[in-house]
This record gives sequence, C-alpha cells and structure tokens, in this order.
Amino acid sequence: GESVGLHLPTLSVQEGDNSIINCAYSNSASDYFIWYKQESGKGPQFIIDIRSNMDKRQGQRVTVLLNKTVKHLSLQIAATQPGDSAVYFCAEKNSGTYKYIFGTGTRLKVLA
Amino acid sequence: DSGVTQTPKHLITATGQRVTLRCSPRSGDLSVYWYQQSLDQGLQFLIQYYNGEERAKGNILERFSAQQFPDLHSELNLSSLELGDSALYFCASSREGNNEQFFGPGTRLTVL
Repeated sequence: GESVGLHLPTLSVQEGDNSIINCAYSNSASDYFIWYKQESGKGPQFIIDIRSNMDKRQGQRVTVLLNKTVKHLSLQIAATQPGDSAVYFCAEKNSGTYKYIFGTGTRLKVLA
Repeated sequence: DSGVTQTPKHLITATGQRVTLRCSPRSGDLSVYWYQQSLDQGLQFLIQYYNGEERAKGNILERFSAQQFPDLHSELNLSSLELGDSALYFCASSREGNNEQFFGPGTRLTVL
C-alpha cells in the first residue's frame, strides 16, 4: 500500500492499552474539529467530530477532548486493537469560510 | 467502500503536461472537496464545490482548476505540471450541514 508521510511522528502502543493522540490547531475561529483515520493505501475515514462549544465527546471506543484555551485536541482510543494501526489526522473547520485545515498526522502502531 | 469513486487510480505523465482527475460523490451528496496529499506537506485542502458552485478555496495553485457538473461529479484539472505536483489527490463528498466527509480512494499522480 501507499506510505503516507514517511516522517510522521509515531506512537507505539501495546495491544489492549489505551492510546492518546494529540493535535494542536491553529485558528481560534475554527468551530468544528474532526479526527480522521487513514489506513495504508486508502483515503481518510471519519472517526468523530466535536463542536467548539463542547469539551468532550465520546464515540465507540473513542473520545475526543477539546481544550480551546491552549488550542489542543486529543483523540483517545480505548483498548487499542491491531486494526487501529493507521495514520490519524485532526482537522479544523471554519463554518464561516467552509475551509478545512488538516494537521500533519500521527502514525499509530499497535504492538502485539 | 466510501461510495466516492475516483479515476484514474494512477497517472504518470511528464512535466509541462495537463491532466484531468475525476470524482463521483456519494449519491445525495452535494458537496465535493479536493485535497492534495504529499509526503512533506500532509493533507492540503484545495477547493470545495457545492451543488455546482465554488464554495471555498484553499491552497490551490493558479495552474489548477476544478468544476462540478450538473450531475454533481467533479473534475480537477492540473496544467503545466511540475515535479512537485506528484502526490495523491483525494476527492471527498458530504451532505449539507454534516461534517463527515467521505473520501475516495485517491489518484496517485506521478510527474516525471
């Protein structure tokens, strides 16, 4: 498959442990934040989003935390599985301009 | 399968040439987005169309242009190609008011 971002920061996690992937965003005017997962050779896949008026949102095995004070976003994956191995991107959206800005991505490696 | 299709899957061409990438959004999605993904710059938002009209412009070069047709499929035209244009080009689509973008499998462009 395709290699995306050979120089990406990498997070290695033992199978079954929790993973925390962090992202710093740039625009204070952004009002939506989204996490995507990209597996090798595939396009990004939506995981979860959060509005700027929230600080936490939970999905299935995933939790997104938003700290607007320091412009920080995190994705927590519970009980990490081998299928979670991928590159994870955060994205910010400004609903006024419709523009999206993606972060550089973090590669998650799940160790058996 | 996201429901978004892109053709061709791979494209190899020479500097100075012009190519057209094609995208068909998911049924019912009015918004189409184009992204460029290269190894050193991550995922870059290029342009968005909504129901045939340009809605937002990102980091799209003047040598690049796009359009969305009445049947909602979209084309990205890249001209006067340079070596640095070699990248993965993704199309995504979404429904109005929904942050979840569905990405296609991408077109790998190689400029020699």
